[in-house]
Amino acid sequence: DVKVTQSSRYLVKRTGEKVFLECVQDMDHENMFWYRQDPGLGLRLIYFSYDVKMKEKGDIPEGYSVSREKKERFSLILESASTNQTSMYLCASSPRTGGNTGELFFGEGSRLTVL
Amino acid sequence: GQNIDQPTEMTATEGAIVQINCTYQTSGFNGLFWYQQHAGEAPTFLSYNVLDGLEEKGRFSSFLSRSKGYSYLLLKELQMKDSASYLCAGGSTLGRLYFGRGTQLTVWP
Repeated sequence: DVKVTQSSRYLVKRTGEKVFLECVQDMDHENMFWYRQDPGLGLRLIYFSYDVKMKEKGDIPEGYSVSREKKERFSLILESASTNQTSMYLCASSPRTGGNTGELFFGEGSRLTVL
Repeated sequence: GQNIDQPTEMTATEGAIVQINCTYQTSGFNGLFWYQQHAGEAPTFLSYNVLDGLEEKGRFSSFLSRSKGYSYLLLKELQMKDSASYLCAGGSTLGRLYFGRGTQLTVWP
């Protein structure tokens, strides 16, 4: 059974803390993504990666960074958490499929609350 | 970014048919995805249209017209468990998806 696993389902952090959200996939996918999902705003792409050590900014990268040291793992880092980063964070992966877009497989999500 | 528009909310009764529409800018996409998301859960894949026409998969069908920038998801024989958010997303050649804001469907008994 294919799987995308996010390290924490629920986190509570304080303003200014450094936060790490970890994501691991077991499908040998090249592409990995971090989204945040907020009511009324839908899914917004933060960062994505096409390969190990590669990263691309999505639509809302400010306040975030990422790390992809191994193919199966994609980490999202909040250098100094702020209250407006309280959200549901979803990791996803997809295979590289040439000209067409591959199906995204999502993790269960990490609900982060910043106090 | 790419604009993807879909209605915010829809309601229907059990056993009925509902059509959820999605419109998008015609340039840049190489296919159209539909995902289902139940409250508190991750989105799950429903369908992918890369060519014009209708794709049928059980009670769910999806249609695409690339020239019109238009897609719809058709749900037949609605069940209570179909109450969920339905996300339309355009795919790019670079592998990323552009999501609409989702349509919250409520199915009443």
